[in-house]
Amino acid sequence: GAGVSQSPRYKVAKRGQDVALRCDPISGHVSLFWYQQALGQGPEFLTYFQNEAQLDKSGLPSDRFFAERPEGSVSTLKIQRTQQEDSAVYLCASSRTSGGALETQYFGPGTRLLVL
Amino acid sequence: KQEVTQIPAALSVPEGENLVLNCSFTDSAIYNLQWFRQDPGKGLTSLLLIQSSQREQTSGRLNASLDKSSGRSTLYIAASQPGDSATYLCAVRGNDYKLSFGAGTTVTVRA
Repeated sequence: GAGVSQSPRYKVAKRGQDVALRCDPISGHVSLFWYQQALGQGPEFLTYFQNEAQLDKSGLPSDRFFAERPEGSVSTLKIQRTQQEDSAVYLCASSRTSGGALETQYFGPGTRLLVL
Repeated sequence: KQEVTQIPAALSVPEGENLVLNCSFTDSAIYNLQWFRQDPGKGLTSLLLIQSSQREQTSGRLNASLDKSSGRSTLYIAASQPGDSATYLCAVRGNDYKLSFGAGTTVTVRA
């Protein structure tokens, strides 16, 4: 596709439910990132994939958060037993390579998660 | 840990006025700095990317400067238009691949 796409765009979950958020990066992009953006804040790094390898998951807030990219393209961010503090916009970004000085990350529109 | 601060948090100007948005960061060991635009309900669009060895970048009405030693960047938008209304985010990349973002400056340009 022309850009990074994410689905669903909006998700309302009851506290305790599991959710799965999908990201389709730009075709052929090696690197994929997940960020969490709370209301009124800038995005915060969650995790990074290079192809199918998850090289960094240091930003995941707890062990309830899990991300995968099994075939090196589509990625899924799963949140188990959602809590109200998980309410945020989840942004996915991809970049062509593993990151030269001129490499930019291309962002999707985000999934807005509301946990009631 | 890199801390990125953007001032002001919000800005409202009449159409035609020049905009000045400020970004500061605590760790000067950066790889590059980017300015993004975010419209409500949409993702981020990259506006300008400045490598650590550069002092400024220009694109149309936009000009961004970088003073790495003092940990500052400024985004100038000349002759603002209502279509420039959005949130502008500054992001710094360190020697890894992560971007550290500021909280953004929300700009309103009044017609």
